[in-house]
Amino acid sequence: GDSVTQMEGPVTLSEEACLTINCTYTATGYPSLFWYVQYPGEGLQLLLKATKADDKGSNKGFEATYRKETTSFHLEKGSVQVSDSAVYFCALSTTAGGTSYGKLTFGQGTILTVHP
Amino acid sequence: NAGVTQTPKFQVLKTGQSMTLQCAQDMNHEYMSWYRQDPGMGLRLIHYSVGAGITDQGEVPNGYNVSRSTTEDFPLRLLSAAPSQTSVYFCASSYRAGAAEQYFGPGTRLTVT
Repeated sequence: GDSVTQMEGPVTLSEEACLTINCTYTATGYPSLFWYVQYPGEGLQLLLKATKADDKGSNKGFEATYRKETTSFHLEKGSVQVSDSAVYFCALSTTAGGTSYGKLTFGQGTILTVHP
Repeated sequence: NAGVTQTPKFQVLKTGQSMTLQCAQDMNHEYMSWYRQDPGMGLRLIHYSVGAGITDQGEVPNGYNVSRSTTEDFPLRLLSAAPSQTSVYFCASSYRAGAAEQYFGPGTRLTVT
């Protein structure tokens, strides 16, 4: 079955440090890939997405590139801020018969804490 | 436009009690789903619906029932609560299939004692 594996957390950084959160996946077919973010006390929000190989998703200074050859979708940011402290989830959605109905498979989540 | 709403925000149940978690969306989305979030396990799909009158099981459906009588509402029923159902529950919806972004509600934190 489909699965998503994220790097072990939590991750603690100082403000302006570089961030990389690793994500690899196993899927049949051609998945779409997502990063969702969950701020304290809130639901998940879509951060960025990529729908085919070599696509780069970007938003709020975060980037991730869909690498089919390494089945990876690592999240990166060049300079993190205190406000980036949150839980980050990598996820995939696969299609069956042309539709996936939005079914998502999530990684376990990575807690990011950024100190001033 | 309220998006996806969930009630209640917090709930404490005793083992064996039943209850319904409410979920509603005002975006005319066809697809709705319920997830539970447990520490270190990400989100796991409980049940989902691709339209009014159509539901199906996800990864962890045991102990939960759903129905979808309208496009807007997708309640989750716990028939006989167990401590293993202590979790945070999220409802989500999306407009279309394929690479559809899902919109999540704020969650319900449930404790079963």
